[in-house]
Amino acid sequence: SQKIEQNSEALNIQEGKTATLTCNYTNYSPAYLQWYRQDPGRGPVFLLLIRENEKEKRKERLKVTFDTTLKQSLFHITASQPADSATYLCALVGGSQGNLIFGKGTKLSVKP
Amino acid sequence: DGGITQSPKYLFRKEGQNVTLSCEQNLNHDAMYWYRQDPGQGLRLIYYSQIVNDFQKGDIAEGYSVSREKKESFPLTVTSAQKNPTAFYLCASSPDRGQGYDGYTFGSGTRLTVV
Repeated sequence: SQKIEQNSEALNIQEGKTATLTCNYTNYSPAYLQWYRQDPGRGPVFLLLIRENEKEKRKERLKVTFDTTLKQSLFHITASQPADSATYLCALVGGSQGNLIFGKGTKLSVKP
Repeated sequence: DGGITQSPKYLFRKEGQNVTLSCEQNLNHDAMYWYRQDPGQGLRLIYYSQIVNDFQKGDIAEGYSVSREKKESFPLTVTSAQKNPTAFYLCASSPDRGQGYDGYTFGSGTRLTVV
């Protein structure tokens, strides 16, 4: 069956450290993979998109990798800050209707 | 500023009532979507529309209905046939008709509670 999994429900790290979040998928062959940030009681906000032919993408303190052999994407936040605390969702196009399928998310808490 | 407006932010429904959630966008996006989010679960697609006057069922369409009479608007009706409607409802839009090469823009959500 098709699955998209974010391995950790929650991740707690110290301010200044690098946070690494994992997204694995099964039985999909996505051309793109997306990452979103969601704050409590709010809608997700699009952060980054990475294409299958891109190994790495960066935006400020964010870095995303995409390994189509491992069927995995890693999302890194360097020099993390308490303001980075949120739930991060990965998503790929894989629904029967060609829509975005979302992982359940990883809740990141950055402690001062 | 362009964006998606969902209203109301909080909605209470009595058993047996239909309620309609509003979603309006001024981004000139072709595609619009309704997702449902429950605690501990990912976003699940209810309905989507790629063009005006056309919409498709998602994974959990039972007990819901939509219309797309205008490009800007995609209201969702939660009918009395939906057995467990208490959830956080999110509306989204994208310019690429769901191909995945553009991020979705989400509204701020409507929290529906059955009382």
